[in-house]
Amino acid sequence: GDSVTQMEGPVTLSEEAFLTINCTYTATGYPSLFWYVQYPGEGLQLLLKATKADDKGSNKGFEATYRKETTSFHLEKGSVQVSDSAVYFCADLNSGYALNFGKGTSLLVTP
Amino acid sequence: DAMVIQNPRYQVTQFGKPVTLSCSQTLNHNVMYWYQQKSSQAPKLLFHYYDKDFNNEADTPDNFQSRRPNTSFCFLDIRSPGLGDAAMYLCATSRGGTNEKLFFGSGTQLSVL
Repeated sequence: GDSVTQMEGPVTLSEEAFLTINCTYTATGYPSLFWYVQYPGEGLQLLLKATKADDKGSNKGFEATYRKETTSFHLEKGSVQVSDSAVYFCADLNSGYALNFGKGTSLLVTP
Repeated sequence: DAMVIQNPRYQVTQFGKPVTLSCSQTLNHNVMYWYQQKSSQAPKLLFHYYDKDFNNEADTPDNFQSRRPNTSFCFLDIRSPGLGDAAMYLCATSRGGTNEKLFFGSGTQLSVL
């Protein structure tokens, strides 16, 4: 079946460092792509999404571009903050209502 | 204010003893989902309701059942929990259109002794 693969964590960065979390998918066609974030003790919440090739999703300084040619949706942020420490989940939606999640990447940002 | 509420936050049950997890929503969304998330694994969809229409994933064990008595509430029943069912259970809702975002509760961490 279709799968979403994220880079293994945990990722530890110093404040103001550049962040990249890689995500690739195997679904054929043009799935919608999402990044969800889970802060400690909270539920998952949508961070950003892109629904067609070359779309760029952005929110709170995070960006991800839908790359059909490389089946990727890498998450980036130019300058991370301590408050960005969380678990980040990449997901796709090819049909129906079932989001297909990656395993999550834990990010720890130190002062 | 929390919009998708799961109770309890932590649930402990005994091997083979039925357990029910609860989820409620104040969003009036059509779709409610139950995901199972084991440690260091991706959340896995167990089933979802579109209104009263129940949709079971093909690989969800028969041990897992769900009820949705009204729009606001949805329950996950585990009839005979095994040690392998220990996990975080996530409830989510959406309005039901394509590409709609999901709203998640904080989850219930289930332990099986």
